[in-house]
Amino acid sequence: DVKVTQSSRYLVKRTGEKVFLECVQDMDHENMFWYRQDPGLGLRLIYFSYDVKMKEKGDIPEGYSVSREKKERFSLILESASTNQTSMYLCASSKGATNYEQYFGPGTRLTVT
Amino acid sequence: GNSVTQMEGPVTLSEEAFLTINCTYTATGYPSLFWYVQYPGEGLQLLLKATKADDKGSNKGFEATYRKETTSFHLEKGSVQVSDSAVYFCALSPNTGGFKTIFGAGTRLFVKA
Repeated sequence: DVKVTQSSRYLVKRTGEKVFLECVQDMDHENMFWYRQDPGLGLRLIYFSYDVKMKEKGDIPEGYSVSREKKERFSLILESASTNQTSMYLCASSKGATNYEQYFGPGTRLTVT
Repeated sequence: GNSVTQMEGPVTLSEEAFLTINCTYTATGYPSLFWYVQYPGEGLQLLLKATKADDKGSNKGFEATYRKETTSFHLEKGSVQVSDSAVYFCALSPNTGGFKTIFGAGTRLFVKA
């Protein structure tokens, strides 16, 4: 069964901490994505990557960075967590062409206090 | 630019009722269209898709038809079950110019026994 896994389901961090969210896919997909999901706002794209070591900014990249050193792993980094980054974070992957569906992980609910 | 608009929820139905969730889109060219479903505590998963005008996507009793003339992709099901309670997202993926998928805000469905 194909899978996208995320390192934590729930995470609580303090303001100013550096936070790492890890995502791993086992489908040999070229593309990987990080979204945040907030009530009433749907999914908003933070960053995506279409190849190893490649990254592109999404719609809301401020306060985030990413790393993709291996094809199967895509990390989201909050350099200095703030309370407005409290959210559900979803990782997804897809094949290379744009009309392929995305496969999502279960999400990480991050609370910054 | 590309955008997706779907009806606001929540939608509350009794078991065996007919379901329609409206979705309209704005896009250049001929995007691929998707419906994703998110069950409580999980990530999104693909429900159905259509890649060209007049295509009908179907899965688990759900259907949606790609209507180019009305730029719509409404989700329908003839008889809903309690287990269909979830959040439904309409999405489009442009076939040119990038890898981003645009998601609607989501519609929450509650089905009562």
